Amino acid sequence: KAGVTQTPRYLIKTRGQQVTLSCSPISGHRSVSWYQQTPGQGLQFLFEYFSETQRNKGNFPGRFSGRQFSNSRSEMNVSTLELGDSALYLCASSMTSGRADEQFFGPGTRLTVL
Amino acid sequence: GQNIDQPTEMTATEGAIVQINCTYQTSGFNGLFWYQQHAGEAPTFLSYNVLDGLEEKGRFSSFLSRSKGYSYLLLKELQMKDSASYLCAVNHGSGNTGKLIFGQGTTLQVKP
Repeated sequence: KAGVTQTPRYLIKTRGQQVTLSCSPISGHRSVSWYQQTPGQGLQFLFEYFSETQRNKGNFPGRFSGRQFSNSRSEMNVSTLELGDSALYLCASSMTSGRADEQFFGPGTRLTVL
Repeated sequence: GQNIDQPTEMTATEGAIVQINCTYQTSGFNGLFWYQQHAGEAPTFLSYNVLDGLEEKGRFSSFLSRSKGYSYLLLKELQMKDSASYLCAVNHGSGNTGKLIFGQGTTLQVKP
């Protein structure tokens, strides 16, 4: 069974640009969550999607947005990039969005903003 | 607010036992997870506790006390490959939603 895949794996952008990251969950998984990981802040929750609906949102500015498609694939978009957006962006999928569900993480997209 | 505390770094010897503590203060609680993350890799699931007590899985065990807001991960018979970051995460979601709040992680170095 294929794991969670994320594309691209590495990305370099400049301030002010926008970026779209993609996540394909494990087949059959309907919940996708996004996290930002930085050395200073650790892993921080961005948002969670389940059946194309955003179910939870973390404390990030509106420049960070996402969506989920009918095949459960998800994208996140960051507009007007800032230097501080440089991070590893991880997505995780689970069968449902139930409390006990183990989340399986993808390899991440390393975003560098210059 | 949400607060999850773990020691930043720990060092242990190959073959020994190490306990990594995690304390949490969150406005919601739907279970606690432990993840392992090797440098440059994605986190991988280790354990899940939602009721008080000890959950054992091979060389790894995890304990939870909800009244104390406390958990620990116990690693036995340490191996060099156990050198990694260990992340404590609380499922903060309500109802059927999932939202993990992570601690900063504990970097464990296993020495020969």
